[in-house]
Amino acid sequence: NAGVTQTPKFQVLKTGQSMTLQCAQDMNHNSMYWYRQDPGMGLRLIYYSASEGTTDKGEVPNGYNVSRLNKREFSLRLESAAPSQTSVYFCASSEDRGVINQPQHFGDGTRLSIL
Amino acid sequence: LAKTTQPISMDSYEGQEVNITCSHNNIATNDYITWYQQFPSQGPRFIIQGYKTKVTNEVASLFIPADRKSSTLSLPRVSLSDTAVYYCLVGDSLMIKAAGNKLTFGGGTRVLVKP
Repeated sequence: NAGVTQTPKFQVLKTGQSMTLQCAQDMNHNSMYWYRQDPGMGLRLIYYSASEGTTDKGEVPNGYNVSRLNKREFSLRLESAAPSQTSVYFCASSEDRGVINQPQHFGDGTRLSIL
Repeated sequence: LAKTTQPISMDSYEGQEVNITCSHNNIATNDYITWYQQFPSQGPRFIIQGYKTKVTNEVASLFIPADRKSSTLSLPRVSLSDTAVYYCLVGDSLMIKAAGNKLTFGGGTRVLVKP
């Protein structure tokens, strides 16, 4: 039972390079999320997808794009990486039923450094 | 979404009960209160969720007074492995969909359990 799987676990990029972070969940969840967490801080939502085929901006979307490829997969792309995007990126999913704030299930993160 | 305020850090000793209070003065009628735990180098993990009064599971208890303007996460008889950051989150999934989501975890409370 893998839950939420993120790849890669670590990556170092040079400024201006592009990269796609991959996320897949095997829980048949409708909603998926991308967060970033900077050292000593809480998580901030970048983008989310309430269902297959839909995506919406979160708190800090600038510099990122996302694709909800199918119900299982939600990718995050950095088109032109900047040092300010050095962070740990977490993907999450939730079942999302009605009004209840469904618990989110998180992956173990991708640690991204941009030089 | 309701803003939350929780202590930055707390120290405790093995075997003691740890209580973390979260303030959410602007909580809305449809909001649920959810707590997550995060260990270093891991994604957050759902602990407990509640709407009012008291909720208990195998890990923790959640106390919510009648006015719902605060909540207290109670960890009974902590061990060294309970050292983590604990996040209080208030909101509901419908607001996430409608408002373009400003869902944030905040800075959390760093709990250090000492031997």
